[in-house]
Amino acid sequence: GNSVTQMEGPVTLSEEAFLTINCTYTATGYPSLFWYVQYPGEGLQLLLKATKADDKGSNKGFEATYRKETTSFHLEKGSVQVSDSAVYFCALTNTGNQFYFGTGTSLTVIP
Amino acid sequence: DVKVTQSSRYLVKRTGEKVFLECVQDMDHENMFWYRQDPGLGLRLIYFSYDVKMKEKGDIPEGYSVSREKKERFSLILESASTNQTSMYLCASSYPQASDRYGYTFGSGTRLTVV
Repeated sequence: GNSVTQMEGPVTLSEEAFLTINCTYTATGYPSLFWYVQYPGEGLQLLLKATKADDKGSNKGFEATYRKETTSFHLEKGSVQVSDSAVYFCALTNTGNQFYFGTGTSLTVIP
Repeated sequence: DVKVTQSSRYLVKRTGEKVFLECVQDMDHENMFWYRQDPGLGLRLIYFSYDVKMKEKGDIPEGYSVSREKKERFSLILESASTNQTSMYLCASSYPQASDRYGYTFGSGTRLTVV
């Protein structure tokens, strides 16, 4: 079956620290992988995506590389800001008709 | 930009009431979805629809129903609201042919409290 496992939160970092949020997946075939971000009180927004192995998705200083050999799609940012405080969701889809989401990782960045 | 609009940001209802949550999208997407989001449980799929008048149960359909009479509108119905349905409800839409490249577009969510 299809599933996504994210690292447990919450994560608290100081401004300008390096961020890694781990995501591993189980899927049949060749899924597309996504990171979504949810700011307080809002819905989910697409942050970045990768549609095939070795692709790197990037946006707003965040990056994630689709690693088929380790079935991983870890989210990284070199220097976080207070405005990055949010909940981050890893997700996959095989067919495009249904997505499978991780449970979300809450990030708080303190000045 | 594609917009998915949920009619209410916050809603307070009484136990036993029939509750309607409305979702409208403006980009002619075939697929529409309803999720609920709870702390520690992430997003759980309630119902989805691939086309007008079509609906499919998701992982947690009990206590809910849906209606899709027009392509742009997907309604979630709580037949008799209960306190365990207090949650954040998220609507999403997508093109079935392009979801694997563009993902879903989500609404801003409706935070429902049942008292």
